[in-house]
Amino acid sequence: DQQVKQNSPSLSVQEGRISILNCDYTNSMFDYFLWYKKYPAEGPTFLISISSIKDKNEDGRFTVFLNKSAKHLSLHIVPSQPGDSAVYFCAASATQGGSEKLVFGKGTKLTVNP
Amino acid sequence: EPEVTQTPSHQVTQMGQEVILRCVPISNHLYFYWYRQILGQKVEFLVSFYNNEISEKSEIFDDQFSVERPDGSNFTLKIRSTKLEDSAMYFCASNFGTGGWGELFFGEGSRLTVL
Repeated sequence: DQQVKQNSPSLSVQEGRISILNCDYTNSMFDYFLWYKKYPAEGPTFLISISSIKDKNEDGRFTVFLNKSAKHLSLHIVPSQPGDSAVYFCAASATQGGSEKLVFGKGTKLTVNP
Repeated sequence: EPEVTQTPSHQVTQMGQEVILRCVPISNHLYFYWYRQILGQKVEFLVSFYNNEISEKSEIFDDQFSVERPDGSNFTLKIRSTKLEDSAMYFCASNFGTGGWGELFFGEGSRLTVL
């Protein structure tokens, strides 16, 4: 039951270029989406979020885009830096449905090469 | 910066033994969670806890699992009789409110290995 899918297990980009991480979801009840970053031996760390009433949210080098009709969101990192190398998880929740749980994708391992 | 702390960082146990994983959430947070990640798989929701009771749990959180907030600071996950498939990284998390009210703050995780 993959309600949140990250179809690319890994992505490699050059420093300074744009990293684009993709996420698809199937549950139309999801109305809040988040991206988390995870380094080895650490817990996930919140990066950026977007509500379903928006289609874009920007925070410094990180921008999340939401396409509700396609049930697709993406995280853009520009410019990418070696320190961005980590596993990125997309997560979603159905807040209007009263659910408190986040449903995570399997993650995409980003490697930014110097 | 306040953080969620978890102990132990790694526990090895025999199948059938009881395990208690401990967490100290961020002090002014109201909602507490346990998630787990089996090696190579996604992070999965186990349970959420608010106002001293479970508010939501997943199908994974069966009768072998229980949570407790024994005092004002600790939040524990107990697995009564561990199985091999319980081997995973267990993450505690907390926040001010549910879902879109704010992101979850995760601890560094407790790795459980069941032999």
